[in-house]
Amino acid sequence: NAGVTQTPKFQVLKTGQSMTLQCAQDMNHNSMYWYRQDPGMGLRLIYYSASEGTTDKGEVPNGYNVSRLNKREFSLRLESAAPSQTSVYFCASSEWAGTGGLGYTFGSGTRLTVV
Amino acid sequence: QQPVQSPQAVILREGEDAVINCSSSKALYSVHWYRQKHGEAPVFLMILLKGGEQMRHEKISASFNEKKQQSSLYLTASQLSYSGTYFCGTDSGTYKYIFGTGTRLKVLA
Repeated sequence: NAGVTQTPKFQVLKTGQSMTLQCAQDMNHNSMYWYRQDPGMGLRLIYYSASEGTTDKGEVPNGYNVSRLNKREFSLRLESAAPSQTSVYFCASSEWAGTGGLGYTFGSGTRLTVV
Repeated sequence: QQPVQSPQAVILREGEDAVINCSSSKALYSVHWYRQKHGEAPVFLMILLKGGEQMRHEKISASFNEKKQQSSLYLTASQLSYSGTYFCGTDSGTYKYIFGTGTRLKVLA
């Protein structure tokens, strides 16, 4: 099925460990995004990639890095995980960034716990 | 700055109507509305564009007041399937959407 695929779905890390969350879309979308969702905070933008070859910081980029590997794939890396990074992470894509894109398609999410 | 949504939560009986508001401190180019069911990903409902018309998705409609930097989502004759958390996402011309904190909607039989 067409859409956004995230891996893994669940992950438990120890403080200080590193990991990479993977995201791939097969809709030929140009723009991709990483959000985190915490209770009562809604969805907060971590990083985004308006087009292949570009990445920009969102609202809460500290502690994260991203790579737009190609048009399909956009990964999120935690270099040294902290308990404050316990959250549900969503990847999303859209045809274009901003108003030109007609809605985001979200992946099913990654539930990350840092102990 | 996240847009502010109100109310934070609402409980309805089937068939009742509800309005969810989204306000921004910045000038807006467009607004997205999404619904998220528990444990699932948000699903896109509709986009409101600056200067555009009021939009509809089934019995859900929305409006966009550019001058007031506000959007409202209208749920008419609510159904059980409307239960979930509704998010607005706002674009101020920066190529990314910033989401509100959400409105939890529960429809009772």
